[in-house]
Amino acid sequence: SQTIHQWPATLVQPVGSPLSLECTVEGTSNPNLYWYRQAAGRGLQLLFYSVGIGQISSEVPQNLSASRPQDRQFILSSKKLLLSDSGFYLCAWSLGGLRSPLHFGNGTRLTVT
Amino acid sequence: AQKITQTQPGMFVQEKEAVTLDCTYDTSDPSYGLFWYKQPSSGEMIFLIYQGSYDQQNATEGRYSLNFQKARKSANLVISASQLGDSAMYFCAMRVWDSSGSARQLTFGSGTQLTVLP
Repeated sequence: SQTIHQWPATLVQPVGSPLSLECTVEGTSNPNLYWYRQAAGRGLQLLFYSVGIGQISSEVPQNLSASRPQDRQFILSSKKLLLSDSGFYLCAWSLGGLRSPLHFGNGTRLTVT
Repeated sequence: AQKITQTQPGMFVQEKEAVTLDCTYDTSDPSYGLFWYKQPSSGEMIFLIYQGSYDQQNATEGRYSLNFQKARKSANLVISASQLGDSAMYFCAMRVWDSSGSARQLTFGSGTQLTVLP
């Protein structure tokens, strides 16, 4: 069966520091991969998605970036965090197609101080 | 562009009763899929149920059913026999299959916080 791992679970970082969140998927090949952000009490905002190695699409312009160095690895990065980057970050995977649900990791709660 | 609207920020239901969570959507594409997710306080997003725009029957998964009314563009989630563990945030989401033959990304509503009372 497929599993998705996301770490760390919580992170407190000062403004201006770098960020690296990692997500890996097991049990499937060539998944679509996603990074979402959820502000407190709000819905999910799609940040990035990837349909293959090295293929990244950005949905929202910001100081974040994403990379997919391996088929089942997705990384969210920032060179300098802003206070507004605080939130709950969720990684997800899906198979292609209309009917495929997203399967989410447990999320990373990021607080920028 | 597609849009999902959940008009109930919060709902309360008595344990063992049924509850309906509302979701309306807007898209001009004829082919689309609707998803419901549950997010407990721990934060994980749990997929509950799926309804395709061309599906003839309303989807059901255990105690979850989807009241799909295509003409009204609504896809309400019905939870029967509520349990205390059903207390969570519930999100409706939609994906469309556009005219170029590709599936666009999931768009989420703002969610409904359900509280089940003992």
